[in-house]
Amino acid sequence: GAGVSQTPSNKVTEKGKYVELRCDPISGHTALYWYRQSLGQGPEFLIYFQGTGAADDSGLPNDRFFAVRPEGSVSTLKIQRTERGDSAVYLCASSSHGQETQYFGPGTRLLVL
Amino acid sequence: QQQVKQSPQSLIVQKGGISIINCAYENTAFDYFPWYQQFPGKGPALLIAIRPDVSEKKEGRFTISFNKSAKQFSLHIMDSQPGDSATYFCAAIPPGTASKLTFGTGTRLQVTL
Repeated sequence: GAGVSQTPSNKVTEKGKYVELRCDPISGHTALYWYRQSLGQGPEFLIYFQGTGAADDSGLPNDRFFAVRPEGSVSTLKIQRTERGDSAVYLCASSSHGQETQYFGPGTRLLVL
Repeated sequence: QQQVKQSPQSLIVQKGGISIINCAYENTAFDYFPWYQQFPGKGPALLIAIRPDVSEKKEGRFTISFNKSAKQFSLHIMDSQPGDSATYFCAAIPPGTASKLTFGTGTRLQVTL
């Protein structure tokens, strides 16, 4: 079956602009995660959804970052007033209810100029 | 605070050799320890995972050794192949399903001919 998909695969924007990153989880997976991976580092947790609600948003770095999952499937990560330090690969993962295994998408490479 | 420390940062192994990557964790609440493999331009993919009540787990050429008292675990890749060249991340997760992963910093493995 289809895995986790993310769009766009690459995004170049200018400092101060607003961006939206989309994640389509594996069908039927109730849990959805966003991570951020800087060059040469391991992924860092941003936010986790169980269904439609954000169960844990402790990893969001500041209030410029926001994520939604209105229907419990697709999720959008929104970044306002982007800064050069936001440049990274944003990874989405999903898991099935009761399972620890998280399946990752290919990521969106965000470059803020 | 880095909760999962990984070494070495990079590793070069000849084809047919054994690749060994080590991780140490601080949070004794962690109870699930997966290893992820990541190829350039791709998201991390689960390779193998272990729980602390088991000292070793083997799947094909991949083995996890776990030392609960030392809070350390390692990945051994036997008969390393050029196709194993990738970045490997250890990770840890606390009890309860659908929890956030804490990743190590990664080991870039290169298997030479």
